[in-house]
Amino acid sequence: GAVVSQHPSWVICKSGTSVKIECRSLDFQATTMFWYRQFPKQSLMLMATSNEGSKATYEQGVEKDKFLINHASLTLSTLTVTSAHPEDSSFYICSARYRDGPNEKLFFGSGTQLSVL
Amino acid sequence: QQQVKQSPQSLIVQKGGISIINCAYENTAFDYFPWYQQFPGKGPALLIAIRPDVSEKKEGRFTISFNKSAKQFSLHIMDSQPGDSATYFCAASSTGGYQKVTFGTGTKLQVIP
Repeated sequence: GAVVSQHPSWVICKSGTSVKIECRSLDFQATTMFWYRQFPKQSLMLMATSNEGSKATYEQGVEKDKFLINHASLTLSTLTVTSAHPEDSSFYICSARYRDGPNEKLFFGSGTQLSVL
Repeated sequence: QQQVKQSPQSLIVQKGGISIINCAYENTAFDYFPWYQQFPGKGPALLIAIRPDVSEKKEGRFTISFNKSAKQFSLHIMDSQPGDSATYFCAASSTGGYQKVTFGTGTKLQVIP
């Protein structure tokens, strides 16, 4: 199957700093990528939809100025958590939409565990 | 209307047994129903998916049963193995546009020897 690489897999940072998470589709072009947040033992919550060459679409309640998304190429989307605070600590996961003829699938990165001290 | 309800929340099955996880949806616009498997500290991995034009899909030990009229679908894991112990998420989406996926609440499966 298609591979989505997410980096870093974990990061610890001080409160007030910014953290960038990268999501790459390694063997296919992804015009659309998605960013999720997952709390322990809970489901995935969609934060935003990232489209190559245009502004991201944020879900209700997600601060676009805090969670900056850039999808500068067909294989790379980045999520920057600006001025991170302890409440931003979470598991962040990206996914990329993959088209195989008439079929579409979503492939996920391995996730990034963010801990803000 | 965007919810996908999943049950049970947790499940313990003996090795060799059948694991069954159920999901129900409300939005009739959904036309793609994937199941994902997630191990601790990892992102979800696509396991199997079905579209509403078929009532069943089987891949190896994994089978999806789909009941369009009841708006329900389920995952059956035959001959469950300890390596199947993970959290399983059902999901639903409507194709066209972004294919935003709505996830169920997850089922933590434990297969005991």
